[in-house]
Amino acid sequence: QVQLVQSGAEVKKPGASVKVSCKASGYTFTSYYIHWVRQAPGQGLEWMGIINPSGGSTNYAQEFQGRVTMTRDTSTSTVYMELRRLRSEDTAVYYCARGGKRFVDYWGQGTLVTVSS
Amino acid sequence: QSVLTQPPSASGTPGQRVTISCSGSSSNIGSHTVNWYQQLPRTAPKLLIYNNNQRPSGVPDRFSGSKSGTSASLAISGLQSEDEADYYCAAWDDSLNGHVVFGGGTKLTVL
Repeated sequence: QVQLVQSGAEVKKPGASVKVSCKASGYTFTSYYIHWVRQAPGQGLEWMGIINPSGGSTNYAQEFQGRVTMTRDTSTSTVYMELRRLRSEDTAVYYCARGGKRFVDYWGQGTLVTVSS
Repeated sequence: QSVLTQPPSASGTPGQRVTISCSGSSSNIGSHTVNWYQQLPRTAPKLLIYNNNQRPSGVPDRFSGSKSGTSASLAISGLQSEDEADYYCAAWDDSLNGHVVFGGGTKLTVL
C-alpha cells in the first residue's frame, strides 16, 4: 500500500532553517509528483510547492519563492523540503502528499514544526 | 484568505443530507477538475472525491461530488456521526505559473 512516512517534530528558533523528509513506499517513486502542503494551528491547508521525483524539477508557490527548496533522493525514495529564515508564522504541520502534477491523493502523517524563541 | 470559497461551517442530524459548496473562478474550478478532502480531528487529510465526482476505492457512496461552471459541491447523504470532520475542496489554478489552491475548509458538525 502507498505510504509516505515523514520525519519527526522539530523546534526551531526564528531565523533558522528546517529540513523535513518524506520517505515513499508502495509505488514507483518516480511515477508520481510529491507536493508539500502546510497547515497552521487551527487554520486551513496551504500549498507550498511540488517536485517531480523523476527529473527533480520543482515549482514553488510564490509566497515561498527564495525560502524553500525541495529535493529528492531516488536511491532511497525520499523527498526533502527545506524552509529557511523561519519566523513564528511558519509554525505549522507540514505534509508531503503524492499525486499528479495538479492533484494530490495520498498524504503523509504530517510533521509539526514549531518556531519559537 | 483562500482562493476557493467554502462556508466555514455546516451541520446536520444523523440520516440527513448535507451539501458543502466551493466557489472559484475561471482560472481554477472553471478550467480544472475539483477534488475534495476529509480531515478527521488530529489526522492528515484523506482524498474523498477526485475529478469532480469520482470516489476512490473504499469511500462510501454516501459521498458525492458535482461541478458546474466555477463552482463545485460535496453532498453527504445518510449523515453519520463519524462524518464529523473538516472538508476541503481543491483545484489547480493557472495563475502565477500554476499552483494548487484550497478552500478555507468547512467544519461539519453532526448534531
